[in-house]
Amino acid sequence: EVQLLESGGGLVQPGGSLRLSCVASGFTFSNYAMTWVRQPPGKGLEWVSAIGGSGDNTYYADSVKGRFTISRDNSKNTLYLQMNSLRAEDTATYYCAKNQMDESPFYGMDVWGQGTTVTVSS
Amino acid sequence: QSALTQPPSASGSPGQSVTISCTGTRRDVGDYNFVSWYQQHPGNVPKLMIYEVSKRPSGVPDRFSGSKSGNTASLTVSGLQAEDEADYYCSSFSGSNNGEVFGTGTKVTVL
Repeated sequence: EVQLLESGGGLVQPGGSLRLSCVASGFTFSNYAMTWVRQPPGKGLEWVSAIGGSGDNTYYADSVKGRFTISRDNSKNTLYLQMNSLRAEDTATYYCAKNQMDESPFYGMDVWGQGTTVTVSS
Repeated sequence: QSALTQPPSASGSPGQSVTISCTGTRRDVGDYNFVSWYQQHPGNVPKLMIYEVSKRPSGVPDRFSGSKSGNTASLTVSGLQAEDEADYYCSSFSGSNNGEVFGTGTKVTVL
């Protein structure tokens, strides 16, 4: 069964840092681009960042560029999102999602994790 | 990188059709065929319904169809069923920042 399991969320003060992880199983992880999507409480989806299967190509939303870093360890089947300089507006459920292609993350996200909650508050 | 524009709500009776629009610009929907649609039931994770404007993943009923004209993409749900009641989001590649942008979301109600 194809599965994605996120972890690393929690409560952090403004200006703080968190690292999210997403462990994949049931498919050849390195063969697929991966994406992080977030959803603030009661609001819509927001695309955050994506990475190609090899890890060579990364993409960021303007709202997180320079603060967040996406990476992956294909030997561990794990996707990461390092989040620095966190702001209140980063509060959301963060989902990792599997893309349908190897390097391009723009062909649709066909498998989603259950999400991990990040709360930025003092 | 502004969100794509969707109507906040849409509705139809069982068996009817409903069409949801997703309006962007030439820098996203208009110039690229990387438009996807997602269904999200309350408390659940999003589900891919359409990708590359009009392609359906395996397992998605053919009642769901996608199209595009100019800067506007559309999702049509034919033969509405109670389980189609959910939030629907479009997304598109954006050449403005070489990333992706979601729509504002549409709540579909089955009357």
